[in-house]
Amino acid sequence: QKEVEQNSGPLSVPEGAIASLNCTYSDRGSQSFFWYRQYSGKSPELIMFIYSNGDKEDGRFTAQLNKASQYVSLLIRDSQPSDSATYLCAVSRDDKIIFGKGTRLHILP
Amino acid sequence: DTAVSQTPKYLVTQMGNDKSIKCEQNLGHDTMYWYKQDSKKFLKIMFSYNNKELIINETVPNRFSPKSPDKAHLNLHINSLELGDSAVYFCASSQGLGPGQGVGSGNTIYFGEGSWLTVV
Repeated sequence: QKEVEQNSGPLSVPEGAIASLNCTYSDRGSQSFFWYRQYSGKSPELIMFIYSNGDKEDGRFTAQLNKASQYVSLLIRDSQPSDSATYLCAVSRDDKIIFGKGTRLHILP
Repeated sequence: DTAVSQTPKYLVTQMGNDKSIKCEQNLGHDTMYWYKQDSKKFLKIMFSYNNKELIINETVPNRFSPKSPDKAHLNLHINSLELGDSAVYFCASSQGLGPGQGVGSGNTIYFGEGSWLTVV
């Protein structure tokens, strides 16, 4: 089983709609969970992190964590064309952070 | 003022050559990393150093050798380059021993702009 799994996409979402990105992880001892956004040809940049079960909101972004199900998600409300990118889920434990392969999101104008 | 800077940004070289990529961070972080992102966009850790000491060394050919002269610098030297080495190499840094330290602090890593290596 892969350590961090994401659907590679592409996920196409109409502008203004909610984009929902999902991620599962295999290590139950994982401590912190991150969402990075990577535009084509650019480096990953941190959007949000979460470490407690439940929801965490930051502007149009909401991260959701369910440790029992080993599941973390990212919701993007009022999707904009500028949100089109690859979204990388990352999971950390101790001194290591493991990235998923990313989901390509395409916002349709 | 770039936080994590790496050079060169683009590098095209022939098989068998030896090349180096340099990285510097001005964030005052203790830990630095090298990640490799292949053509399928999979981002995989290669090495990490904490205060000039190697703490993570994933399964990487020994043609790859990191060097950390001080905690603000982590260079990557690659000997006898092969076609399969073509990828984007990202340098990164974080506070403390790494992302897991200080759970809840969101201690995370910050990436440089990447170095696009093409071996022909």
